[in-house]
Amino acid sequence: TQLLEQSPQFLSIQEGENLTVYCNSSSVFSSLQWYRQEPGEDPVLLVTVVTGGEVKKLKRLTFQFGDARKDSSLHITAAQPGDTGLYLCAGGIQGAQKLVFGQGTRLTINP
Amino acid sequence: DSGVTQTPKHLITATGQRVTLRCSPRSGDLSVYWYQQSLDQGLQFLIQYYNGEERAKGNILERFSAQQFPDLHSELNLSSLELGDSALYFCASSSRWAGSFYEQYFGPGTRLTVT
Repeated sequence: TQLLEQSPQFLSIQEGENLTVYCNSSSVFSSLQWYRQEPGEDPVLLVTVVTGGEVKKLKRLTFQFGDARKDSSLHITAAQPGDTGLYLCAGGIQGAQKLVFGQGTRLTINP
Repeated sequence: DSGVTQTPKHLITATGQRVTLRCSPRSGDLSVYWYQQSLDQGLQFLIQYYNGEERAKGNILERFSAQQFPDLHSELNLSSLELGDSALYFCASSSRWAGSFYEQYFGPGTRLTVT
């Protein structure tokens, strides 16, 4: 069974600080996606990474896929209150046509 | 707006009852996925359909069933409802599997409350 573990589960920091969220597994994934979900809303896709070692940037957000394609990280620089939400990582399984979701990191940015 | 629609937005019903949740995928998407999200939890994959056929099954209870119709909309049927079935139910759709990855786009969800 492929499992994705996200850490930390909860994170509360002040505006302007930097943070990193991790998504780890013992399994290899063909792709790794990050979603952000605001309270009461649906998850919105932020990025997809498919190559080991790949780094993608989305404004203040930097996503990295591990070299072995077993883990990923999301780094936010100078966090803002608008970054508050539940961040979900999801691993794509080659040949199985499904995504495995982590439990999420609930991020709160305090003004 | 992802292009995925779900109805109804809210459902309140009593234990033992049955409900049907409906999802219309993005135009052109053949795959539909159903997820359950309980309070403060991540997404639990329930089931996937591709062009009318069941493709993958996750942690779906026997009391739950789904189908995808020729027009590609999908319905999730929940029966003999229990208090623990209260959750947000999301539908997502995606384009054809590209061989190495695909991206799912989520609908707004249906919030089910069982009393």
